[in-house]
Amino acid sequence: QSVLTQPPSASGTPGQKVTISCSGSISNIGSNFVSWYHQLPGTAPKLLIYKNDQRPSGVPGRFSGSKSGTSASLAISGLRSEDEADYYCATWDDRLNGAVFGGGTQLTVL
Amino acid sequence: QVTLRESGPALVKPTQTLTLTCTFSGFSLNSNDMCVSWVRQPPGKALEWLALIDWEGDKYYRTSLKTRLTISKDTSKNQVVLTMTNMDPVDTGTYYCARMVWNGIYSDSWGQGILVTVSS
Repeated sequence: QSVLTQPPSASGTPGQKVTISCSGSISNIGSNFVSWYHQLPGTAPKLLIYKNDQRPSGVPGRFSGSKSGTSASLAISGLRSEDEADYYCATWDDRLNGAVFGGGTQLTVL
Repeated sequence: QVTLRESGPALVKPTQTLTLTCTFSGFSLNSNDMCVSWVRQPPGKALEWLALIDWEGDKYYRTSLKTRLTISKDTSKNQVVLTMTNMDPVDTGTYYCARMVWNGIYSDSWGQGILVTVSS
């Protein structure tokens, strides 16, 4: 059972906007930055969003992150077939004194 | 360009100790805010953070595995080593090392991962 809660699956059609949620607590999301990663099958995770809403260079503007209280969200607009992947949120947990990941969300582009 | 590469055995027997090495380039683990983390992923399951070592040599471990894990660094060789004792088949999975930036706690570069199978 992951410390951060994500929906196990999400879906959308090409061009749509999809939002993936990540729910935590005051000791993790409520007190620290959130990052987001995507992972294609058989490959390493790749950083999508850091410090809640910052995009690394090379990540399209279609990806955006936000945080409010003890929850965070990743939004993907203009959905494309290549966005089909697993998405993970992560942060630091002050109570556990360690990093934590969400359980992951499998995004399907219909 | 930041690169990381994991190395170690692909197969270990139950009760054995696993030793994995992360060899990195493109950054110094002596620089402020630089850390290296280990993350694993059981087949078909989610990412699990295991351990982190920072630029000052401070170490952090996953609570549930703290008694089995040791992380260390050799800055002269640009390597970080993770050992996990008393391996069990449930420890089977892909093990990744990643560069982590302390200010923001995010991993911006990852190794390709190494699949470790625990079986007799």
